Amino acid sequence: KNQVEQSPQSLIILEGKNCTLQCNYTVSPFSNLRWYKQDTGRGPVSLTIMTFSENTKSNGRYTATLDADTKQSSLHITASQLSDSASYICVAPYSGGGADGLTFGKGTHLIIQP
Amino acid sequence: NAGVTQTPKFRILKIGQSMTLQCTQDMNHNYMYWYRQDPGMGLKLIYYSVGAGITDKGEVPNGYNVSRSTTEDFPLRLELAAPSQTSVYFCASSLQPNTEAFFGQGTRLTVV
Repeated sequence: KNQVEQSPQSLIILEGKNCTLQCNYTVSPFSNLRWYKQDTGRGPVSLTIMTFSENTKSNGRYTATLDADTKQSSLHITASQLSDSASYICVAPYSGGGADGLTFGKGTHLIIQP
Repeated sequence: NAGVTQTPKFRILKIGQSMTLQCTQDMNHNYMYWYRQDPGMGLKLIYYSVGAGITDKGEVPNGYNVSRSTTEDFPLRLELAAPSQTSVYFCASSLQPNTEAFFGQGTRLTVV
Protein backbone atom coordinates (compact mmCIF):
# COMPACT_ATOMS: atom_id res chain seq x y z
CA LYS A 1 0.00 0.00 0.00
CA ASN A 2 1.31 3.45 -0.89
CA GLN A 3 2.19 5.44 2.19
CA VAL A 4 3.54 8.85 3.10
CA GLU A 5 4.92 9.28 6.60
CA GLN A 6 5.80 12.68 8.01
CA SER A 7 7.80 13.68 11.04
CA PRO A 8 7.69 15.29 13.44
CA GLN A 9 3.95 15.35 14.02
CA SER A 10 4.28 18.81 15.56
CA LEU A 11 7.08 21.29 16.10
CA ILE A 12 7.47 24.54 18.02
CA ILE A 13 10.35 26.89 17.25
CA LEU A 14 11.22 30.51 17.94
CA GLU A 15 10.83 33.16 15.29
CA GLY A 16 13.97 33.57 13.23
CA LYS A 17 15.14 29.99 13.72
CA ASN A 18 15.46 27.37 10.99
CA CYS A 19 13.71 24.01 10.91
CA THR A 20 13.51 20.87 8.79
CA LEU A 21 10.46 18.72 8.23
CA GLN A 22 10.76 15.12 7.04
CA CYS A 23 8.76 12.97 4.64
CA ASN A 24 9.25 9.28 3.86
CA TYR A 25 7.26 7.71 1.06
CA THR A 26 6.70 4.24 -0.31
CA VAL A 27 4.75 5.31 -3.40
CA SER A 28 5.77 3.35 -6.45
CA PRO A 29 6.39 3.97 -9.25
CA PHE A 30 7.40 7.50 -8.40
CA SER A 31 6.08 10.48 -10.34
CA ASN A 32 6.70 13.58 -8.29
CA LEU A 33 6.63 14.76 -4.70
CA ARG A 34 4.80 17.83 -3.48
CA TRP A 35 4.83 19.95 -0.38
CA TYR A 36 1.75 21.95 0.57
CA LYS A 37 1.24 24.59 3.27
CA GLN A 38 -2.12 24.66 5.01
CA ASP A 39 -2.97 27.62 7.20
CA THR A 40 -5.55 27.04 9.91
CA GLY A 41 -9.03 27.11 8.42
CA ARG A 42 -7.78 27.31 4.84
CA GLY A 43 -7.15 24.93 1.98
CA PRO A 44 -3.67 23.59 1.18
CA VAL A 45 -1.47 25.77 -1.03
CA SER A 46 1.33 24.33 -3.14
CA LEU A 47 4.91 25.16 -2.12
CA THR A 48 6.95 22.91 -4.41
CA ILE A 49 6.63 20.03 -6.84
CA MET A 50 9.75 17.92 -7.35
CA THR A 51 10.28 15.37 -10.09
CA PHE A 52 12.56 12.35 -9.99
CA SER A 53 15.49 14.25 -11.49
CA GLU A 54 15.39 17.15 -9.04
CA ASN A 55 17.39 16.99 -5.81
CA THR A 56 16.61 20.46 -4.51
CA LYS A 57 13.98 23.06 -5.19
CA SER A 58 13.50 26.42 -3.51
CA ASN A 59 10.56 28.73 -3.08
CA GLY A 60 11.70 31.79 -1.16
CA ARG A 61 12.65 30.70 2.35
CA TYR A 62 11.39 27.16 1.68
CA THR A 63 13.80 24.58 0.28
CA ALA A 64 12.71 21.06 -0.51
CA THR A 65 15.13 18.19 -1.07
CA LEU A 66 14.48 14.79 -2.56
CA ASP A 67 16.46 11.55 -2.28
CA ALA A 68 14.82 9.08 -4.64
CA ASP A 69 17.15 6.27 -3.55
CA THR A 70 16.09 6.40 0.09
CA LYS A 71 12.58 7.68 -0.74
CA GLN A 72 12.94 10.64 1.56
CA SER A 73 12.16 14.30 1.19
CA SER A 74 12.68 17.22 3.51
CA LEU A 75 11.37 20.75 3.70
CA HIS A 76 13.74 23.28 5.19
CA ILE A 77 12.42 26.63 6.39
CA THR A 78 15.00 29.37 6.82
CA ALA A 79 14.66 32.35 9.18
CA SER A 80 11.15 31.40 10.25
CA GLN A 81 8.42 34.02 10.50
CA LEU A 82 5.18 34.02 12.47
CA SER A 83 3.31 33.54 9.19
CA ASP A 84 5.03 30.18 8.75
CA SER A 85 2.81 28.76 11.49
CA ALA A 86 0.77 26.17 9.60
CA SER A 87 0.53 22.49 8.73
CA TYR A 88 2.91 21.25 6.07
CA ILE A 89 1.69 18.33 4.02
CA CYS A 90 3.77 15.98 1.91
CA VAL A 91 1.97 14.45 -1.08
CA ALA A 92 3.13 11.73 -3.43
CA PRO A 93 1.20 10.81 -6.58
CA TYR A 94 2.25 7.66 -8.35
CA SER A 95 2.91 7.52 -12.04
CA GLY A 96 0.02 6.01 -13.92
CA GLY A 97 -2.22 6.29 -10.91
CA GLY A 98 -4.52 8.71 -12.58
CA ALA A 99 -6.63 11.27 -10.81
CA ASP A 100 -7.13 9.04 -7.79
CA GLY A 101 -3.44 8.41 -7.27
CA LEU A 102 -2.54 10.99 -4.60
CA THR A 103 -1.33 9.85 -1.20
CA PHE A 104 -1.35 12.54 1.48
CA GLY A 105 0.74 12.57 4.60
CA LYS A 106 -0.89 13.55 7.89
CA GLY A 107 1.16 16.73 7.99
CA THR A 108 3.54 18.42 10.41
CA HIS A 109 1.94 21.10 12.55
CA LEU A 110 4.47 23.93 12.89
CA ILE A 111 4.12 26.70 15.45
CA ILE A 112 6.41 29.73 15.35
CA GLN A 113 6.65 31.55 18.67
CA PRO A 114 7.70 35.21 18.95
CA ASN B 1 -8.15 35.50 -9.19
CA ALA B 2 -11.01 33.36 -7.86
CA GLY B 3 -9.44 29.89 -8.39
CA VAL B 4 -11.54 27.26 -6.60
CA THR B 5 -14.55 28.55 -4.69
CA GLN B 6 -16.50 26.47 -2.17
CA THR B 7 -19.76 27.26 -0.43
CA PRO B 8 -20.85 27.24 2.31
CA LYS B 9 -17.87 27.72 4.62
CA PHE B 10 -19.64 26.28 7.65
CA ARG B 11 -22.76 24.14 8.07
CA ILE B 12 -24.49 22.23 10.84
CA LEU B 13 -26.79 19.41 9.79
CA LYS B 14 -29.08 17.17 11.75
CA ILE B 15 -28.80 13.41 11.28
CA GLY B 16 -30.76 12.35 8.22
CA GLN B 17 -30.79 15.75 6.56
CA SER B 18 -29.34 16.29 3.13
CA MET B 19 -27.29 19.07 1.60
CA THR B 20 -25.11 19.97 -1.35
CA LEU B 21 -21.63 21.40 -1.06
CA GLN B 22 -20.91 23.66 -3.99
CA CYS B 23 -17.59 23.91 -5.81
CA THR B 24 -16.70 25.95 -8.85
CA GLN B 25 -13.39 26.71 -10.55
CA ASP B 26 -12.51 29.30 -13.17
CA MET B 27 -9.21 27.85 -14.39
CA ASN B 28 -10.73 25.59 -17.07
CA HIS B 29 -9.30 22.54 -15.34
CA ASN B 30 -10.63 19.17 -16.45
CA TYR B 31 -9.76 17.38 -13.22
CA MET B 32 -11.74 18.09 -10.07
CA TYR B 33 -11.73 16.36 -6.71
CA TRP B 34 -13.53 16.20 -3.39
CA TYR B 35 -11.54 15.37 -0.27
CA ARG B 36 -12.40 15.12 3.38
CA GLN B 37 -9.95 15.94 6.14
CA ASP B 38 -10.45 14.50 9.59
CA PRO B 39 -8.41 15.64 12.63
CA GLY B 40 -4.90 14.18 12.60
CA MET B 41 -5.46 12.40 9.29
CA GLY B 42 -4.33 12.95 5.73
CA LEU B 43 -6.82 14.06 3.11
CA LYS B 44 -8.96 11.24 1.78
CA LEU B 45 -10.40 11.27 -1.75
CA ILE B 46 -14.20 10.98 -1.90
CA TYR B 47 -14.94 11.41 -5.60
CA TYR B 48 -13.15 12.81 -8.60
CA SER B 49 -13.92 13.83 -12.15
CA VAL B 50 -11.72 13.86 -15.24
CA GLY B 51 -14.06 16.06 -17.23
CA ALA B 52 -17.66 17.13 -17.72
CA GLY B 53 -20.00 14.15 -17.56
CA ILE B 54 -17.39 11.81 -16.05
CA THR B 55 -17.12 11.00 -12.35
CA ASP B 56 -15.56 8.18 -10.37
CA LYS B 57 -15.31 6.97 -6.80
CA GLY B 58 -12.31 7.65 -4.64
CA GLU B 59 -11.22 6.00 -1.43
CA VAL B 60 -14.22 6.95 0.75
CA PRO B 61 -17.32 7.46 -1.46
CA ASN B 62 -20.02 5.90 0.73
CA GLY B 63 -22.75 8.35 1.70
CA TYR B 64 -21.89 10.85 -1.02
CA ASN B 65 -22.80 11.56 -4.62
CA VAL B 66 -21.43 13.94 -7.22
CA SER B 67 -22.25 15.28 -10.65
CA ARG B 68 -20.25 17.16 -13.26
CA SER B 69 -22.54 18.78 -15.77
CA THR B 70 -20.08 21.56 -16.63
CA THR B 71 -16.29 21.96 -16.57
CA GLU B 72 -16.61 24.64 -13.87
CA ASP B 73 -18.89 23.00 -11.31
CA PHE B 74 -18.51 19.86 -9.22
CA PRO B 75 -21.11 19.71 -6.42
CA LEU B 76 -20.97 17.10 -3.65
CA ARG B 77 -24.27 15.75 -2.32
CA LEU B 78 -24.89 14.24 1.10
CA GLU B 79 -28.25 12.45 1.06
CA LEU B 80 -28.68 11.17 4.63
CA ALA B 81 -26.22 12.94 6.88
CA ALA B 82 -24.56 10.83 9.58
CA PRO B 83 -22.27 11.88 12.45
CA SER B 84 -19.40 10.07 10.70
CA GLN B 85 -19.60 12.69 7.96
CA THR B 86 -18.57 15.42 10.36
CA SER B 87 -15.39 16.66 8.72
CA VAL B 88 -13.79 19.42 6.71
CA TYR B 89 -14.41 19.05 2.99
CA PHE B 90 -12.07 20.38 0.32
CA CYS B 91 -12.68 20.71 -3.36
CA ALA B 92 -9.66 20.86 -5.66
CA SER B 93 -8.88 21.08 -9.35
CA SER B 94 -5.89 20.46 -11.56
CA LEU B 95 -4.96 20.68 -15.22
CA GLN B 96 -3.62 17.11 -15.26
CA PRO B 97 -3.61 14.45 -12.53
CA ASN B 98 0.14 14.89 -11.94
CA THR B 99 0.22 18.68 -11.94
CA GLU B 100 -0.36 21.14 -9.14
CA ALA B 101 -3.76 20.89 -7.49
CA PHE B 102 -5.51 24.06 -6.37
CA PHE B 103 -7.73 23.79 -3.32
CA GLY B 104 -10.78 25.68 -2.17
CA GLN B 105 -10.98 27.14 1.32
CA GLY B 106 -12.97 24.22 2.68
CA THR B 107 -16.40 23.55 4.17
CA ARG B 108 -16.56 22.66 7.85
CA LEU B 109 -19.54 20.33 8.28
CA THR B 110 -20.91 19.16 11.61
CA VAL B 111 -23.64 16.52 11.79
CA VAL B 112 -25.50 16.38 15.10
